[in-house]
Amino acid sequence: ILNVEQSPQSLHVQEGDSTNFTCSFPSSNFYALHWYRWETAKSPEALFVMTLNGDEKKKGRISATLNTKEGYSYLYIKGSQPEDSATYLCAFIGMYSGGGADGLTFGKGTHLIIQP
Amino acid sequence: ETGVTQTPRHLVMGMTNKKSLKCEQHLGHNAMYWYKQSAKKPLELMFVYSLEERVENNSVPSRFSPECPNSSHLFLHLHTLQPEDSALYLCASSQDPHPGGSNQPQHFGDGTRLSIL
Repeated sequence: ILNVEQSPQSLHVQEGDSTNFTCSFPSSNFYALHWYRWETAKSPEALFVMTLNGDEKKKGRISATLNTKEGYSYLYIKGSQPEDSATYLCAFIGMYSGGGADGLTFGKGTHLIIQP
Repeated sequence: ETGVTQTPRHLVMGMTNKKSLKCEQHLGHNAMYWYKQSAKKPLELMFVYSLEERVENNSVPSRFSPECPNSSHLFLHLHTLQPEDSALYLCASSQDPHPGGSNQPQHFGDGTRLSIL
């Protein structure tokens, strides 16, 4: 059973502040790491797919980094806005012994609330 | 029209009923997925279809039966469900070079909220 941990579980941040949270995953047999944003009453929306150690990706005020050797990824939000309130999910894909890629294993998510 | 459409949005059924969940994707993707989200648990992958062939079945009980008649449609047939099967069922699609694995983002539907009486 793969262990994908996200911390913190929930986070309250003042509007305008920057924040970050963590996803940790198995450091062996890495294939890819996904980040999704899931707003209440909507469907999960893809933010990033990261495949290379040292990868850094950016989308507006949101960015992510990846360290496959130590098994973690950080998601950063700069200058938080109320519309950033959502649950942020990471999902790990490993390689299985046959050389192919496995399905997504999700963490429980970080629930972010931006306070005006 | 949204990329991935799921129907119905809500479903209440008894343990002896038979019902089906439907998913349709309009993105031209070649892979489709069923996930289950139970309260206080992470999203769990149930089934993966790539090019209409099932490539993954994560030890899901046989009372859940998937069907993928073509690359745009995915069904989840439900029969003799248990109360613990009450959950949000999400469908997703992606364009994947490798069956079952994904270095492409997945596009999700809004889900079907299932309640078993």
